[in-house]
Amino acid sequence: GAVVSQHPSRVICKSGTSVKIECRSLDFQATTMFWYRQFPKQSLMLMATSNEGSKATYEQGVEKDKFLINHASLTLSTLTVTSAHPEDSSFYICSARMPGADQPQHFGDGTRLSIL
Amino acid sequence: AQTVTQSQPEMSVQEAETVTLSCTYDTSESDYYLFWYKQPPSRQMILVIRQEAYKQQNATENRFSVNFQKAAKSFSLKISDSQLGDAAMYFCALNSGGSNYKLTFGKGTLLTVNP
Repeated sequence: GAVVSQHPSRVICKSGTSVKIECRSLDFQATTMFWYRQFPKQSLMLMATSNEGSKATYEQGVEKDKFLINHASLTLSTLTVTSAHPEDSSFYICSARMPGADQPQHFGDGTRLSIL
Repeated sequence: AQTVTQSQPEMSVQEAETVTLSCTYDTSESDYYLFWYKQPPSRQMILVIRQEAYKQQNATENRFSVNFQKAAKSFSLKISDSQLGDAAMYFCALNSGGSNYKLTFGKGTLLTVNP
């Protein structure tokens, strides 16, 4: 149980393109989903927290207009990297959790984004 | 603010031996949760074990166990009978509540298992 699916797993596109990444909780309803960015050999950096039906909460330093997050249902959140540039190349990973203080975050497999 | 510190950037262990990964944390909350996640080369984040702060008993999951010392704010992970598949980056994480239960991660410990 508690499976999170993230698509696509790999994206290579030209500079200026917008890229959408989907995060789905397959067998549970996720009241909260999280989006992280991870640079090589580093820890996960939280970008934003999204709750179903409300605006995402962005961490300090993360551009809201650059990284658009939509959490339209209890099982789907999307991250859109708008007008992507080479510096946006990174590994992006989502997680989802069920209600309850003791519930862990369950992670998707991540998306490797490469902007040429 | 809460912090998580993993003081060992890299560790190595012989196959079948035991290894302990260190983690210390700081939070002003009295009720919180601690987790160990494993990230193998595939980069998938896998939950290894979790501990509720209000429980005195150390959590155990098969070959994985923790030594939770609340007063010292220490949460180490012990891997017994290490296997080649245990080789990965291990992250300690703290969830001390708040409206969204965000996780604070340590910088990670890269574990190598030698055959």
